[in-house]
Order: sequence, then C-alpha cells, then structure tokens
Amino acid sequence: EDQVTQSPEALRLQEGESSSLNCSYTVSGLRGLFWYRQDPGKGPEFLFTLYSAGEEKEKERLKATLTKKESFLHITAPKPEDSATYLCAVTGNQFYFGTGTSLTVIP
Amino acid sequence: NAGVTQTPKFRILKIGQSMTLQCTQDMNHNYMYWYRQDPGMGLKLIYYSVGAGITDKGEVPNGYNVSRSTTEDFPLRLELAAPSQTSVYFCASRDRGGNTEAFFGQGTRLTVV
Repeated sequence: EDQVTQSPEALRLQEGESSSLNCSYTVSGLRGLFWYRQDPGKGPEFLFTLYSAGEEKEKERLKATLTKKESFLHITAPKPEDSATYLCAVTGNQFYFGTGTSLTVIP
Repeated sequence: NAGVTQTPKFRILKIGQSMTLQCTQDMNHNYMYWYRQDPGMGLKLIYYSVGAGITDKGEVPNGYNVSRSTTEDFPLRLELAAPSQTSVYFCASRDRGGNTEAFFGQGTRLTVV
C-alpha cells in the first residue's frame, strides 16, 4: 500500500536556526515527489518536484533532496515569514499527501 | 487565467441536507482531484478523475459522489450531510504525466450542524 509519512508533526525554530523536515514514502513506481507550502485558510502552494534519487532543488532558503526512500526539505536561516505547514506528496494517477509539518519561526 | 476555482467559499448545512461543491479549471488539465482537510491534518483524497467520463475512488469516498462530464468541471456531491463531513474541501487539477504538479483551489469550508 502506498504511504507517505512526514516528521516531525510540528517544529518551532528561532529565526536563523536551520533545520530539516522529513518525508518518507513507500510507493510502487514513484513518478514524482512534490513539496507544497500551505498557509492558514489557503490552498497548498507548489514548491518543488523531484523525480529521481540524488536530485536536489533550491528556492531561496529552501532546499529539497530525494533518496530512494525519503525526501528532506532543508530550511536555512529561516525567517518568520517561512512559518507555514509544509506538505509532501507522491504520485502515480493518484496524488497522495502526507500529514504535513507545521513550522513556526519565532523572531 | 483563473486556474482552479471553487464555489462556494463557505457553507453551513443542516444534517441530512444535500449540496454540490463546484470546481472548474481553465488549464485544460486531464486530472482532477477532490480532497478534504480536517483541522491540523493533511489532505485526504476523496475522488479523482483522469479525464472526462472517468472517475475513481480515493481514500475516503463514503458519503460523496462525483461526475466529470467535461474536462473543465468536477463537481462533488454530498448526499445526506453528516457532522463528520464538516471539513475544508480542496479541488486540484494537474496535467497528464506522473511528474506534473497539482494546482489547488482556495477551498470550501463546510460546516454540518
């Protein structure tokens, strides 16, 4: 059965304190792993797509990496505006989401 | 382009009532999805469609129905609403292919009382 698990459920960081979020998956025939950001009361907003093990993508303070079993979203020197819930998803025809990591960055 | 549009944004239903959540996309995407999101939780897939006339169940389909008569529209029908269906509902669409990202609507907040 396809599964996506994210950890931790919640993370509080001081501004400037770097950390990583984890997304582990068991999917037969992974075709893509996606990271999204969701702000309260809004729909998820696309961040990255990763296709193959070893791939990395970067955007501002965020860097996503992928292995055969998991993906990491590294946040370098976060700012309060990075506070949000970060979701990962994997796909074939269906589009499965993990439960998300709620990130709070304290000034 | 408007992207993915959901209506209504908010709705309060009484137990046993029915309603249809509307979703339309203008990107000519083949794949469309309906999710529900309970407070503090991730997105649970209700139904999905890979093209007009084709729909399939996701993880939590009970109490819901869908149809896909056109590429643009993917309405979600709630029959006999129950308090357990209180949630935020998101519609999404994506292009054909396993590595294309999904675009989301802004959600419909539904309360069943």
